[in-house]
Amino acid sequence: AQKVTQAQTEISVVEKEDVTLDCVYETRDTTYYLFWYKQPPSGELVFLIRRNSFDEQNEISGRYSWNFQKSTSSFNFTITASQVVDSAVYFCALRTSGNTPLVFGKGTRLSVIA
Amino acid sequence: SQTIHQWPATLVQPVGSPLSLECTVEGTSNPNLYWYRQAAGRGLQLLFYSVGIGQISSEVPQNLSASRPQDRQFILSSKKLLLSDSGFYLCAWSVPPGWQPQHFGDGTRLSIL
Repeated sequence: AQKVTQAQTEISVVEKEDVTLDCVYETRDTTYYLFWYKQPPSGELVFLIRRNSFDEQNEISGRYSWNFQKSTSSFNFTITASQVVDSAVYFCALRTSGNTPLVFGKGTRLSVIA
Repeated sequence: SQTIHQWPATLVQPVGSPLSLECTVEGTSNPNLYWYRQAAGRGLQLLFYSVGIGQISSEVPQNLSASRPQDRQFILSSKKLLLSDSGFYLCAWSVPPGWQPQHFGDGTRLSIL
C-alpha cells in the first residue's frame, strides 16, 4: 500500500524567513511519481511540481525548491524568503500507476506573517 | 487546452434533502475522474474515481453515490443528506501515464443545515 506522511500540521513563519515542508512516502513499487500541490484560502488545488522515481535531480523554480531523496523516501519542499502570498495548505502526493488516484498526505498549513 | 467546470460553487441544503453536484471536463478524451471531500481544516478524502463511462470505484461506503453518464461528465449524488456531508467537494481529472498530475476544479462548498 502507498502512504504519504506530512508530519507538520501547521507552520508559522515571519515574512522573508526560509521554510521547509517535509514529505515522507511509502511504496513498494520501484516506479512512482511524487507531486506537490498548493491550496490557497480560495480553495482550489494548484499543481506545483512532479518528480519521477528515477529522477532524483533536485529542482529550483524561483523561490521554490524541491529535494528528492530516495534513500530516505523524502520529497521536501523549501520556500526561500517566504512571502504572505505563500500562506496556504500544501499537499504532497504519490501515484504508482497511470489509472490510480493520487495518494495525498494530510497537508501542512503554512502561515506567513508580515 | 483542458478545462474543468464544477458547479455550483456554494450550496446550502437542509438535512434529508437530495444532492447533485456536476463536473465536466473539456479538451480531453477518456479522462480519469475523481471526487474528493475536504472537511473544514482537514485533508482530502477520496470518495469516488472513474476510469471510463459507467466504471465507478467507491473508496468510502456512505450515503453518497457517483455516476459517469458521459465520457467527460461526473456527477456526485445523495438521496438524503446528513449533517456530516458538509464540506468542500472537489472534482479532478487526469490522463495516463502516471506522471501526469491531477487537475482540480474550483470546488463546491456544501453546508447542511
